[in-house]
Amino acid sequence: EAGVTQSPTHLIKTRGQQATLRCSPISGHTSVYWYQQALGLGLQFLLWYDEGEERNRGNFPPRFSGRQFPNYSSELNVNALELEDSALYLCASSFGPGRDEQFFGPGTRLTVL
Amino acid sequence: GEDVEQSLFLSVREGDSSVINCTYTDSSSTYLYWYKQEPGAGLQLLTYIFSNMDMKQDQRLTVLLNKKDKHLSLRIADTQTGDSAIYFCAEGLKGGGNKLTFGTGTQLKVEL
Repeated sequence: EAGVTQSPTHLIKTRGQQATLRCSPISGHTSVYWYQQALGLGLQFLLWYDEGEERNRGNFPPRFSGRQFPNYSSELNVNALELEDSALYLCASSFGPGRDEQFFGPGTRLTVL
Repeated sequence: GEDVEQSLFLSVREGDSSVINCTYTDSSSTYLYWYKQEPGAGLQLLTYIFSNMDMKQDQRLTVLLNKKDKHLSLRIADTQTGDSAIYFCAEGLKGGGNKLTFGTGTQLKVEL
C-alpha cells in the first residue's frame, strides 16, 4: 500500500514569491493535515482538511492557505514568502475525524532566499 | 494549555535498553503517540496509547503512561544502530480539532 506522497521534494523560492506544495493521502483516508517543522521551532500544526473542508487551523497568518480536492489530495499555498518560512513541510493523512492515527509523508523542504 | 516536553539527547550502547521520556500538561489528551524521524525523512508512526491505558507493548517497544503525573515513556529493548533517530511524542486532544501537539524531540544516538 502506497504511503503519503508529497511533491516537490525540495523547493527554492525568493522572498515575496508564492509556493505551492502538494500532498496525496493514503488510499481510503479522507483527512489531510499540514505541519511545519522549522529549525528551533519544532513541529507546528498548520491546517486540517476533511471531505474538502478546512476543519481546523493553527496559529499561522492568512498567507498560509490550502485546499483539498475531491480525490482528497491537498495543496498548501504560502503567499508573500518570508525568510522565516524556510522549513520542512510535512503532510499527514488519516481515516478522518475520530480516527486519530496520522501517517506522515516525507515532506517538502522549502528554502526561501 | 498544551505543552509537551522531552529531553533533547540520549546516548546508549548497542544492545542496551533505551528509555525516552515525555511530559505533557493537558489532561484531556485522548491518544498519545510516538513518532520516529530519521535524517532528511518524514515521521514514522511507531506506536500509540489510548489515554485510559497504562501500558502497551509492541515487539521491542513498550509504552508506559502515568496519567497522574502526565508522564509518557517509550522503552526500546535491545537498541540497535538503526534505532538512531529523533523520537517525538505527541498528544491528540479531545475536541482539539484533530491536531497533534508534538514534543521537542529526543535525539537517540546508539553507539557500538
